[in-house]
Amino acid sequence: AQRVTQPEKLLSVFKGAPVELKCNYSYSGSPELFWYVQYSRQRLQLLLRHISRESIKGFTADLNKGETSFHLKKPFAQEEDSAMYYCALANAGGTSYGKLTFGQGTILTVHP
Amino acid sequence: KAGVTQTPRYLIKTRGQQVTLSCSPISGHRSVSWYQQTPGQGLQFLFEYFSETQRNKGNFPGRFSGRQFSNSRSEMNVSTLELGDSALYLCASSLRGNYEQFFGPGTRLTVL
Repeated sequence: AQRVTQPEKLLSVFKGAPVELKCNYSYSGSPELFWYVQYSRQRLQLLLRHISRESIKGFTADLNKGETSFHLKKPFAQEEDSAMYYCALANAGGTSYGKLTFGQGTILTVHP
Repeated sequence: KAGVTQTPRYLIKTRGQQVTLSCSPISGHRSVSWYQQTPGQGLQFLFEYFSETQRNKGNFPGRFSGRQFSNSRSEMNVSTLELGDSALYLCASSLRGNYEQFFGPGTRLTVL
């Protein structure tokens, strides 16, 4: 069975401080990992995926297969980063393209 | 491009009734996935349809069903509603072979 764990329900930082949202996964196959974000009164949207290796809005995430982690990081948090963040996993092989397993989410609050 | 649309946005039903929710994917997207979001369980995968065929199913009772039409629009049905079915139901669409899922605004179902 696949599982995604986000150990922090709430995370508060001050503007300009570094932020790290933790994500650990459990999956026996080859995983595809994502971070989705939901800003206030907006729909859920993709922030980044590990295979693209892009930095979006200053956020990066590295897949560590040894530690089965996919932590999201940003060196200098901004107030507009305040949102709910979800880590998600999909099966990179097979036909499970449309099946995402989500973590419980982390609410990030960036204080001025 | 128009985003994923879901109708209705809000529904109030009573226990024992049935309900049908509708999802229109982004033009050209052939995969539609459904998720249930609750405060206690978070985001849970319900099922995925591709080319009118159910490709994956989550761990939900048989009261939850769905279908997809030839124009890729999808509906999900919940029969014999229970109080615990109160949730936000999200629909997401994606291109085949592309894991980025685009989410709709959701349908808020309240069961009284």
